[in-house]
Amino acid sequence: SAVISQKPSRDICQRGTSLTIQCQVDSQVTMMFWYRQQPGQSLTLIATANQGSEATYESGFVIDKFPISRPNLTFSTLTVSNMSPEDSSIYLCSVAGAQETQYFGPGTRLLVL
Amino acid sequence: EDQVTQSPEALRLQEGESSSLNCSYTVSGLRGLFWYRQDPGKGPEFLFTLYSAGEEKEKERLKATLTKKESFLHITAPKPEDSATYLCAVQAPDSWGKLQFGAGTQVVVTP
Repeated sequence: SAVISQKPSRDICQRGTSLTIQCQVDSQVTMMFWYRQQPGQSLTLIATANQGSEATYESGFVIDKFPISRPNLTFSTLTVSNMSPEDSSIYLCSVAGAQETQYFGPGTRLLVL
Repeated sequence: EDQVTQSPEALRLQEGESSSLNCSYTVSGLRGLFWYRQDPGKGPEFLFTLYSAGEEKEKERLKATLTKKESFLHITAPKPEDSATYLCAVQAPDSWGKLQFGAGTQVVVTP
């Protein structure tokens, strides 16, 4: 399985600001995914990021709020824009491995005050 | 709408006390069912993938099984290090890469 790292591991931000989360993989992967895990809840897919194309967003998530970049096959960023306390969550990236199994990074814990 | 329901929400076990977790799903034509383990403050750790009814997978004290409507994760003779939240996710046939997760079962194993 791939080794996935995320930066930052955690952050505390003021409302109205933006935070960019980085996801780095130790091997080339076609598909990367971004999830949100709100406090005490399970994971919800935000978007799918393929290299060389626009990200595909799930219902309830929009590009203006969560812009995603995928400049190459080992890296992606997710920006949480114009943050509010409701954006306080753990943000996770994942990559698709063999047989469509997804492997997850360690997550970024975000607290918005 | 496809749904994934896990039960129980929480489970407290004595060390050595075997038990089972349930994941029921309503998706038609399942493409895959995935089990993950998540420790506090960490990302989910992949455990198993199941594709068809009757399939079973084992890893140490864990065994996952699949029927047409549900999956079970059996924990045999658990140890305190098995304490974690166990997540189930399904993938529908027309949604490559899109996993729908259940709410999870929080397992605590006491010595």
